[in-house]
Amino acid sequence: DIQMTQSPSSLSASVGDRVTISCRASQSISNYLNWYLQKPGKAPKLLIYAAFKLQSGVPSRFSGSGSGTDFTLTITSLQPEDFATYFCQQSYSTSITFGQGTRLDIK
Amino acid sequence: QLHLQESGPGLVKPSETLSLICTVSGDSITSGDYYWGWIRQPPGKGLEWMGSIYYSGSTYYNPSLKSRVIISVDTSTNQFSLRLSSVTAADTAVYFCARPRYGSRDFDCWGQGTLVTVSS
Repeated sequence: DIQMTQSPSSLSASVGDRVTISCRASQSISNYLNWYLQKPGKAPKLLIYAAFKLQSGVPSRFSGSGSGTDFTLTITSLQPEDFATYFCQQSYSTSITFGQGTRLDIK
Repeated sequence: QLHLQESGPGLVKPSETLSLICTVSGDSITSGDYYWGWIRQPPGKGLEWMGSIYYSGSTYYNPSLKSRVIISVDTSTNQFSLRLSSVTAADTAVYFCARPRYGSRDFDCWGQGTLVTVSS
């Protein structure tokens, strides 16, 4: 299996801040990297697919970058609704795997 | 608009088989190049993909669960199902069904999830 490692595991920030979350794959996955946001008690929501493509309806303050093994999710100007847990997911392999998650809290 | 809904028992005894159904509405399960998936999340933990199925019945599974998981599809009822055998407390989780974007393996439409507790 391809292992996905996110950092940090948790993060505190304020409304208006810019934050970055990293995701590293145990082997090259080209650009087959996706990002999700999950709020408590809810299903995950797809934010970004193919490393940098914004899913329809997702605000432009979310962006993704990277290729190969190292990827980044950036949120500029944090809004109150952005405080949640973020997961990366590789879709390079038919054995799909997720990162362990990054919890973003209000400072 | 596409809607997915999980259903099934909320409590399963250890060593028994967990069975869930995902009912798809708003589109036909045969409508396109989609491998419909099951993903689970133990309380307070991360996401684990369990397996996916095409409307033809073609499947692929998480290798760590492959010996215990069967996913099937019923196109006549627009549903797909999950069976997980020999469950233990470690299988306690919220179980989600989901559909990926067309021809891909990233999931853009999810059910609300259903909590299954394994306990005697």
